[in-house]
Amino acid sequence: QQQVKQSPQSLIVQKGGISIINCAYENTAFDYFPWYQQFPGKGPALLIAIRPDVSEKKEGRFTISFNKSAKQFSLHIMDSQPGDSATYFCAASITGNTPLVFGKGTRLSVIA
Amino acid sequence: NAGVTQTPKFQVLKTGQSMTLQCAQDMNHNSMYWYRQDPGMGLRLIYYSASEGTTDKGEVPNGYNVSRLNKREFSLRLESAAPSQTSVYFCASSAVGISYGYTFGSGTRLTVV
Repeated sequence: QQQVKQSPQSLIVQKGGISIINCAYENTAFDYFPWYQQFPGKGPALLIAIRPDVSEKKEGRFTISFNKSAKQFSLHIMDSQPGDSATYFCAASITGNTPLVFGKGTRLSVIA
Repeated sequence: NAGVTQTPKFQVLKTGQSMTLQCAQDMNHNSMYWYRQDPGMGLRLIYYSASEGTTDKGEVPNGYNVSRLNKREFSLRLESAAPSQTSVYFCASSAVGISYGYTFGSGTRLTVV
């Protein structure tokens, strides 16, 4: 059973546009939701994370929106740039209890 | 540079051969992990070690063994490699607990022929 479902698998966005990646989860005990960014040939790196006590968290051009009732969270990349082209993974865990469970990833391509 | 170091970076094995993937971190992190990454499958947890002296199975442990040698080092062993184990393997570590704050290594690309 896939605990975190991520969509779309791939995404092409024009430079300056908004990239949106969505994730849904089943386990209502999850209380930590990070997003990781991975460039080719590198390991994933933490981009931004949120806990369910807030509905939105913004860091620069990156925003996480969280909908607890729908069990969904999403990553918005504003003013997308070619340098944002990477694979993005959402993840979830239960604090102090379980390791991170990752979605299957979204390959983002930002074209000029 | 501080971080997670994985060796080797690339390896080709024949079916049935064995090998050990090495991972070391110099951040004094308590918890360490092994994930595999396959196209379209995301990152799947193989084994993890919440603290020195403990190891636990993840989602896909079959065909693998691990050893938490000390606080710094966490190795992954393939006793009899199979083509299905062709993958990119990532080691990660975390300081605060097993739930967050992961730092990943740069990966080992393994091909089993």
